[in-house]
Amino acid sequence: KAGVTQTPRYLIKTRGQQVTLSCSPISGHRSVSWYQQTPGQGLQFLFEYFSETQRNKGNFPGRFSGRQFSNSRSEMNVSTLELGDSALYLCASSPDRLTDTQYFGPGTRLTVL
Amino acid sequence: TQLLEQSPQFLSIQEGENLTVYCNSSSVFSSLQWYRQEPGEGPVLLVTVVTGGEVKKLKRLTFQFGDARKDSSLHITAAQPGDTGLYLCAGDGGSEKLVFGKGMKLTVNP
Repeated sequence: KAGVTQTPRYLIKTRGQQVTLSCSPISGHRSVSWYQQTPGQGLQFLFEYFSETQRNKGNFPGRFSGRQFSNSRSEMNVSTLELGDSALYLCASSPDRLTDTQYFGPGTRLTVL
Repeated sequence: TQLLEQSPQFLSIQEGENLTVYCNSSSVFSSLQWYRQEPGEGPVLLVTVVTGGEVKKLKRLTFQFGDARKDSSLHITAAQPGDTGLYLCAGDGGSEKLVFGKGMKLTVNP
């Protein structure tokens, strides 16, 4: 089985712009989660989608949003970028529950200038 | 808020040495997962421990879940350069979310 893929791998944006990241889960996995990873805060949960519905949400502002399509592919959007949004954004999929084994993609490295 | 504290945060050792990483919390977790993340990659699951007191071995890696299911440890015997990476613990606290520790960055020098 192909693993979790994320595009793009690297992005450079400026403050105030918006960005959309994409994630394709492992075939058959219905749960897709997004995480933000920074050296200072570690890995923080953004949200989880299951069957096109947001099932869980972390403590991030409304500038962070996402969606899931009928084929389980997911996108994450960040609007009005801030310098502090610079991070590695990881997508993970699991067959059913978020608390099952998470299969992570390689991440998208976002740099906000 | 459930938190997982990992220690040490950084460790640089020579090939062949042993080490132990700790993952502690004041909360009870129904299960705890350990992941390893290599530079430029996402975390990869090493093991899941579920039962209090459980010990699991994966080659030179030994994982233990505390009796009270509030803490866990990872012991690596005879570390090798290929063990270099970020070791993360993650707990299922029953809120349908995984809580991650900040990780322990291990460097094994040849």
